[in-house]
Amino acid sequence: KAGVTQTPRYLIKTRGQQVTLSCSPISGHRSVSWYQQTPGQGLQFLFEYFSETQRNKGNFPGRFSGRQFSNSRSEMNVSTLELGDSALYLCASSLGAGYQETQYFGPGTRLLVL
Amino acid sequence: SQKIEQNSEALNIQEGKTATLTCNYTNYSPAYLQWYRQDPGRGPVFLLLIRENEKEKRKERLKVTFDTTLKQSLFHITASQPADSATYLCALEKNTGFQKLVFGTGTRLLVSP
Repeated sequence: KAGVTQTPRYLIKTRGQQVTLSCSPISGHRSVSWYQQTPGQGLQFLFEYFSETQRNKGNFPGRFSGRQFSNSRSEMNVSTLELGDSALYLCASSLGAGYQETQYFGPGTRLLVL
Repeated sequence: SQKIEQNSEALNIQEGKTATLTCNYTNYSPAYLQWYRQDPGRGPVFLLLIRENEKEKRKERLKVTFDTTLKQSLFHITASQPADSATYLCALEKNTGFQKLVFGTGTRLLVSP
Protein backbone atom coordinates (compact mmCIF):
# COMPACT_ATOMS: atom_id res chain seq x y z
CA LYS A 1 0.00 0.00 0.00
CA ALA A 2 1.25 3.45 -0.81
CA GLY A 3 1.91 5.71 2.15
CA VAL A 4 0.60 9.18 2.83
CA THR A 5 1.66 11.59 0.12
CA GLN A 6 1.90 15.34 0.38
CA THR A 7 2.36 17.90 -2.36
CA PRO A 8 4.26 20.01 -2.90
CA ARG A 9 7.27 18.96 -0.84
CA TYR A 10 8.80 22.43 -0.78
CA LEU A 11 7.30 25.85 -1.22
CA ILE A 12 8.56 29.42 -1.05
CA LYS A 13 6.05 32.23 -0.69
CA THR A 14 6.13 35.87 0.29
CA ARG A 15 4.25 37.60 3.09
CA GLY A 16 0.62 38.29 2.31
CA GLN A 17 0.27 35.48 -0.22
CA GLN A 18 -1.85 32.41 0.30
CA VAL A 19 -0.94 28.78 -0.07
CA THR A 20 -2.76 25.47 -0.51
CA LEU A 21 -1.20 22.18 0.56
CA SER A 22 -2.48 18.78 -0.45
CA CYS A 23 -2.55 15.43 1.31
CA SER A 24 -3.54 12.01 -0.01
CA PRO A 25 -4.11 9.50 2.81
CA ILE A 26 -3.40 5.80 2.74
CA SER A 27 -6.05 3.99 0.73
CA GLY A 28 -8.99 3.12 2.99
CA HIS A 29 -8.09 5.68 5.66
CA ARG A 30 -10.89 8.11 6.36
CA SER A 31 -9.33 10.37 8.96
CA VAL A 32 -6.79 13.06 8.09
CA SER A 33 -5.06 15.33 10.59
CA TRP A 34 -2.77 18.27 9.95
CA TYR A 35 0.12 19.44 12.10
CA GLN A 36 2.56 22.33 12.00
CA GLN A 37 6.11 21.59 13.12
CA THR A 38 8.62 24.29 14.02
CA PRO A 39 11.91 24.05 15.96
CA GLY A 40 10.55 26.20 18.78
CA GLN A 41 7.03 24.83 19.19
CA GLY A 42 7.39 21.26 18.02
CA LEU A 43 4.38 19.50 16.50
CA GLN A 44 1.22 21.54 16.89
CA PHE A 45 -2.18 20.12 15.98
CA LEU A 46 -4.06 22.13 13.35
CA PHE A 47 -7.24 20.18 12.61
CA GLU A 48 -8.68 16.76 11.95
CA TYR A 49 -11.15 15.68 9.29
CA PHE A 50 -13.24 12.55 9.11
CA SER A 51 -15.76 11.82 6.37
CA GLU A 52 -15.47 15.37 5.04
CA THR A 53 -16.29 16.90 8.45
CA GLN A 54 -13.91 18.81 10.66
CA ARG A 55 -13.99 16.99 13.99
CA ASN A 56 -11.39 18.86 15.93
CA LYS A 57 -9.44 22.07 15.64
CA GLY A 58 -6.27 23.29 17.29
CA ASN A 59 -5.48 26.76 18.55
CA PHE A 60 -4.59 28.47 15.27
CA PRO A 61 -5.99 31.67 13.74
CA GLY A 62 -8.74 31.60 11.16
CA ARG A 63 -6.17 32.14 8.40
CA PHE A 64 -5.61 28.39 8.62
CA SER A 65 -8.39 26.36 7.09
CA GLY A 66 -8.86 22.97 5.58
CA ARG A 67 -11.25 20.62 3.92
CA GLN A 68 -11.63 16.98 3.04
CA PHE A 69 -13.06 15.55 -0.12
CA SER A 70 -15.25 12.49 -0.60
CA ASN A 71 -12.21 10.39 -1.55
CA SER A 72 -10.62 11.36 1.82
CA ARG A 73 -7.99 13.55 0.20
CA SER A 74 -7.48 16.75 2.15
CA GLU A 75 -6.22 20.24 1.55
CA MET A 76 -5.19 22.95 3.93
CA ASN A 77 -5.04 26.61 3.10
CA VAL A 78 -3.18 29.43 4.76
CA SER A 79 -4.18 32.93 3.75
CA THR A 80 -2.28 36.18 4.28
CA LEU A 81 0.97 34.41 5.02
CA GLU A 82 3.21 35.68 7.80
CA LEU A 83 6.91 35.04 8.38
CA GLY A 84 6.01 32.92 11.40
CA ASP A 85 4.09 30.50 9.19
CA SER A 86 7.38 29.10 7.93
CA ALA A 87 7.30 25.51 9.08
CA LEU A 88 7.03 21.86 8.13
CA TYR A 89 3.37 21.00 7.59
CA LEU A 90 2.61 17.36 8.24
CA CYS A 91 -0.44 15.39 7.31
CA ALA A 92 -1.33 12.14 9.02
CA SER A 93 -4.01 9.61 8.18
CA SER A 94 -5.67 6.87 10.20
CA LEU A 95 -8.35 4.29 9.53
CA GLY A 96 -10.94 5.87 11.75
CA ALA A 97 -11.32 8.74 14.14
CA GLY A 98 -11.63 6.82 17.38
CA TYR A 99 -9.23 6.16 20.20
CA GLN A 100 -5.90 4.47 19.90
CA GLU A 101 -5.70 4.96 16.18
CA THR A 102 -2.18 4.83 14.84
CA GLN A 103 -1.39 7.89 12.79
CA TYR A 104 0.61 7.47 9.60
CA PHE A 105 2.47 10.61 8.65
CA GLY A 106 3.43 11.89 5.25
CA PRO A 107 6.85 13.39 4.51
CA GLY A 108 5.55 16.92 4.99
CA THR A 109 5.55 20.15 3.01
CA ARG A 110 8.27 22.58 3.97
CA LEU A 111 6.96 26.11 3.62
CA LEU A 112 9.27 29.12 3.68
CA VAL A 113 7.70 32.56 3.89
CA LEU A 114 9.94 35.46 2.87
CA SER B 1 -1.59 24.75 31.91
CA GLN B 2 -1.23 21.43 30.14
CA LYS B 3 2.32 20.51 29.29
CA ILE B 4 4.29 17.59 27.87
CA GLU B 5 8.00 17.70 28.54
CA GLN B 6 10.75 15.75 26.91
CA ASN B 7 14.43 16.34 27.45
CA SER B 8 15.35 19.05 24.98
CA GLU B 9 19.04 18.24 25.25
CA ALA B 10 20.31 15.59 22.86
CA LEU B 11 21.10 12.24 24.42
CA ASN B 12 24.50 10.86 23.38
CA ILE B 13 25.24 7.21 24.08
CA GLN B 14 27.60 4.53 22.85
CA GLU B 15 26.55 1.68 20.63
CA GLY B 16 25.39 -1.33 22.61
CA LYS B 17 24.20 0.67 25.63
CA THR B 18 20.58 1.20 26.65
CA ALA B 19 19.06 4.57 25.81
CA THR B 20 16.36 5.87 28.16
CA LEU B 21 14.18 8.78 27.11
CA THR B 22 11.69 10.52 29.39
CA CYS B 23 8.27 11.99 28.78
CA ASN B 24 6.62 13.91 31.63
CA TYR B 25 3.20 15.49 31.49
CA THR B 26 1.14 17.77 33.70
CA ASN B 27 -2.57 18.52 33.84
CA TYR B 28 -3.46 15.68 31.51
CA SER B 29 -5.28 12.43 32.12
CA PRO B 30 -4.36 10.61 28.93
CA ALA B 31 -6.17 7.49 27.90
CA TYR B 32 -2.99 6.29 26.27
CA LEU B 33 0.42 7.39 25.13
CA GLN B 34 2.29 6.82 21.88
CA TRP B 35 5.94 7.02 20.93
CA TYR B 36 7.12 8.06 17.47
CA ARG B 37 10.46 8.25 15.74
CA GLN B 38 11.31 11.11 13.40
CA ASP B 39 14.29 11.28 11.07
CA PRO B 40 15.45 14.61 9.60
CA GLY B 41 13.24 15.79 6.73
CA ARG B 42 10.67 13.05 7.31
CA GLY B 43 7.36 12.65 9.09
CA PRO B 44 7.13 10.82 12.42
CA VAL B 45 6.80 7.04 12.35
CA PHE B 46 4.70 5.22 14.97
CA LEU B 47 6.62 2.90 17.27
CA LEU B 48 4.56 1.87 20.29
CA LEU B 49 1.30 2.59 22.05
CA ILE B 50 0.67 1.98 25.76
CA ARG B 51 -2.69 2.28 27.49
CA GLU B 52 -3.29 3.87 30.88
CA ASN B 53 -3.97 0.48 32.50
CA GLU B 54 -0.72 -1.02 31.15
CA LYS B 55 2.51 -0.62 33.06
CA GLU B 56 4.90 -1.81 30.39
CA LYS B 57 4.96 -2.63 26.68
CA ARG B 58 7.73 -4.26 24.66
CA LYS B 59 8.52 -4.57 20.97
CA GLU B 60 11.82 -6.14 19.97
CA ARG B 61 14.54 -3.86 21.46
CA LEU B 62 12.03 -1.24 22.56
CA LYS B 63 10.33 -0.97 25.94
CA VAL B 64 7.88 1.64 27.15
CA THR B 65 6.62 2.18 30.68
CA PHE B 66 3.68 4.32 31.73
CA ASP B 67 3.28 5.56 35.31
CA THR B 68 0.04 7.52 35.63
CA THR B 69 0.83 8.34 39.28
CA LEU B 70 4.15 9.95 38.40
CA LYS B 71 2.66 11.23 35.12
CA GLN B 72 5.65 9.87 33.28
CA SER B 73 6.56 7.52 30.46
CA LEU B 74 10.00 6.06 29.90
CA PHE B 75 11.15 4.83 26.49
CA HIS B 76 14.06 2.40 26.41
CA ILE B 77 16.11 1.16 23.47
CA THR B 78 18.34 -1.75 24.45
CA ALA B 79 21.52 -2.72 22.58
CA SER B 80 21.36 0.62 20.77
CA GLN B 81 22.76 0.99 17.27
CA PRO B 82 23.86 4.03 15.24
CA ALA B 83 20.75 3.46 13.08
CA ASP B 84 18.66 4.29 16.17
CA SER B 85 19.88 7.90 15.98
CA ALA B 86 16.79 10.04 15.47
CA THR B 87 14.38 12.29 17.34
CA TYR B 88 11.84 10.46 19.50
CA LEU B 89 8.48 12.03 20.24
CA CYS B 90 5.91 11.09 22.82
CA ALA B 91 2.26 11.90 22.20
CA LEU B 92 -0.78 11.82 24.47
CA GLU B 93 -4.41 11.57 23.57
CA LYS B 94 -6.81 13.10 26.01
CA ASN B 95 -9.73 10.99 27.10
CA THR B 96 -12.25 12.99 25.12
CA GLY B 97 -14.67 12.19 22.36
CA PHE B 98 -12.43 13.42 19.60
CA GLN B 99 -9.10 12.16 18.42
CA LYS B 100 -6.39 14.66 19.10
CA LEU B 101 -2.79 13.76 19.69
CA VAL B 102 -0.69 16.21 21.65
CA PHE B 103 3.03 15.85 21.04
CA GLY B 104 6.05 16.58 23.15
CA THR B 105 8.89 18.51 21.52
CA GLY B 106 11.00 15.38 21.18
CA THR B 107 14.43 14.21 22.31
CA ARG B 108 17.26 13.76 19.83
CA LEU B 109 19.19 10.52 20.34
CA LEU B 110 22.71 10.12 18.97
CA VAL B 111 24.26 6.66 19.11
CA SER B 112 28.01 6.61 18.47
CA PRO B 113 29.78 3.55 17.05
